[in-house]
Amino acid sequence: QVQLQESGPGLVKPSQTLSLTCTVSGGSISSGSYYWAWIRQPAGKGLEWIGRIYTSGSTNYNPSLESRVTISIDTSKNQFSLRLTSVTAADTAVYYCASITVLRGVPDNWFDPWGQGTLVTVSS
Amino acid sequence: EIVMTQSPATLSVSPGERATLSCRASQSVSSNLAWYQQKPGQAPRLLIYGASTRATGIPARFSGSGSGTEFTLTISSLQSEDFAVYYCQQYSNWPLTFGGGAKVEIK
Repeated sequence: QVQLQESGPGLVKPSQTLSLTCTVSGGSISSGSYYWAWIRQPAGKGLEWIGRIYTSGSTNYNPSLESRVTISIDTSKNQFSLRLTSVTAADTAVYYCASITVLRGVPDNWFDPWGQGTLVTVSS
Repeated sequence: EIVMTQSPATLSVSPGERATLSCRASQSVSSNLAWYQQKPGQAPRLLIYGASTRATGIPARFSGSGSGTEFTLTISSLQSEDFAVYYCQQYSNWPLTFGGGAKVEIK
């Protein structure tokens, strides 16, 4: 099973862009066996799916964030990334990356495994 | 968007007892439902997918049931390590959505 690790700045100023990277180990990000996803969780609250990307670069985003989100993939580094523009305090959360298994060409759309998560605080 | 509603929000249970958590979908999701366990300071862990299939390595005391709009996660005999927050997630429709969570605490 692959392992995932998030990285990026823990503090972002309001109106700026949040950028995070997820490094995949234990398997190739371009194997075609997984979709790669981002999920976030504000402190003390529930989980919100942000979006997912496939090896081909095909993406799906949560409509609630779609105008501000870009997920990209770098197969040479075995990484995928999240960019969220024009952030506000409401974007303060723990951000998780996770994988979605593709079986017989069809993604399962549940998340397993997850990275450990990284806290991003939006504050001036 | 499909809204997932979990109940109760908090369940107080003694070790060794059974815990039953509910998850309701605002429209049918067939059997496209997963359950996760989250402990403080940790990422969620997949327990159940397909409404009733245990993920790899998940003990048999965890079981899931239901289809359509009503789902249940049962922990047959609570162990100390099972006190946590549990989330359901539907993957029938976009966007993928989670329930608000249900905390199982020690009575």
